[in-house]
Amino acid sequence: QKEVEQNSGPLSVPEGAIASLNCTYSDRGSQSFFWYRQYSGKSPELIMFIYSNGDKEDGRFTAQLNKASQYVSLLIRDSQPSDSATYLCAVKSGNTPLVFGKGTRLSVIA
Amino acid sequence: GAVVSQHPSWVICKSGTSVKIECRSLDFQATTMFWYRQFPKQSLMLMATSNEGSKATYEQGVEKDKFLINHASLTLSTLTVTSAHPEDSSFYICSARDRGQGAQPQHFGDGTRLSIL
Repeated sequence: QKEVEQNSGPLSVPEGAIASLNCTYSDRGSQSFFWYRQYSGKSPELIMFIYSNGDKEDGRFTAQLNKASQYVSLLIRDSQPSDSATYLCAVKSGNTPLVFGKGTRLSVIA
Repeated sequence: GAVVSQHPSWVICKSGTSVKIECRSLDFQATTMFWYRQFPKQSLMLMATSNEGSKATYEQGVEKDKFLINHASLTLSTLTVTSAHPEDSSFYICSARDRGQGAQPQHFGDGTRLSIL
């Protein structure tokens, strides 16, 4: 059974701080890793994806992957109240469907 | 970027009605589309994988005769909830991936909120 684990939160950070979201996965053969953001009542939207070990930066977002530890994280710099949402970690191997974590609820306090 | 259109966005109907939801990839071809269901405050649950030109693959516990999936073209998949009952009320979301991009992300439609009275 492939599993993706996330802390459900809520994770509360003050505006302007760095929010750190973490995710672990069980399938060592996983090849692709994704972070989605889901606002309440809306469908998920893709924020970032990463395939290789290390960091990948896009604007205020940085994804970090450590395959040896089976660990993925998402850092959000200069957090804004509009970043408040549930963040879903998703993992994939080959052409199989994405396996989603249950999501971490982030609350950015103004 | 890749756009997935889902229609309708909201359905309210009586118990026993069958409801069809459409999912279209607008600017890419998708041999595979995915159907998810999400209950309030819960995580996404994969219901089935829709394959163009062949039968859908259903996840364990999902009734294939209840949730009919048709993927007749590279840009359209439909989910029909047959004889819907109040317990089928949920947020249904489709997702698609570009046919040539096995490792590329899945893109989601805006979802369909289904309410059965």
